[in-house]
Amino acid sequence: DVKVTQSSRYLVKRTGEKVFLECVQDMDHENMFWYRQDPGLGLRLIYFSYDVKMKEKGDIPEGYSVSREKKERFSLILESASTNQTSMYLCASSLRQGGADTQYFGPGTRLTVL
Amino acid sequence: DAKTTQPPSMDCAEGRAANLPCNHSTISGNEYVYWYRQIHSQGPQYIIHGLKNNETNEMASLIITEDRKSSTLILPHATLRDTAVYYCIVRVFNQGAQKLVFGQGTRLTINP
Repeated sequence: DVKVTQSSRYLVKRTGEKVFLECVQDMDHENMFWYRQDPGLGLRLIYFSYDVKMKEKGDIPEGYSVSREKKERFSLILESASTNQTSMYLCASSLRQGGADTQYFGPGTRLTVL
Repeated sequence: DAKTTQPPSMDCAEGRAANLPCNHSTISGNEYVYWYRQIHSQGPQYIIHGLKNNETNEMASLIITEDRKSSTLILPHATLRDTAVYYCIVRVFNQGAQKLVFGQGTRLTINP
């Protein structure tokens, strides 16, 4: 079974703090993704990575950065947290192969910025 | 990616088969049909996908019409734990990483 884990299920931070969200997958997947999910807005892609040290901006990268130093780990960094970054953050991974890539998600981190 | 249309909500009795329809009339030949579900406050869960042929796995069956313009996800013996929002997505064949785009989905409620 594919397993994607996220460092925290719930997190509360203050405005201006630097926040690290960690994601680890155990299936040797090349692709990893960070999304946020907000009511009425669906899933929005923040960043993704298709290999170690590689990263690509998604649709809403502003205010975020990422790090992928090892294949199994993909970190999302909020450089200076703001209240509009209160959201559910979802990490996913997929195998890079011909055909459709099936993405497997972690349980999510619900971040509240006060 | 082609758009999909799903009913906003459905009910099903526990132990019965839940049949969730999806319309994707503009699907093109290289697009796969995917189903995910999301239980409240959890990450989305992959269920099944297919291109042309019907597919079955331990969770569900996927029936795709011959013209590929619609499909049905079947949960053969629904349980209370199957209560969730179910998303039907069509996605193009691509070698690279590509984002998932969820529509509104169908909120399935399994009743005791």
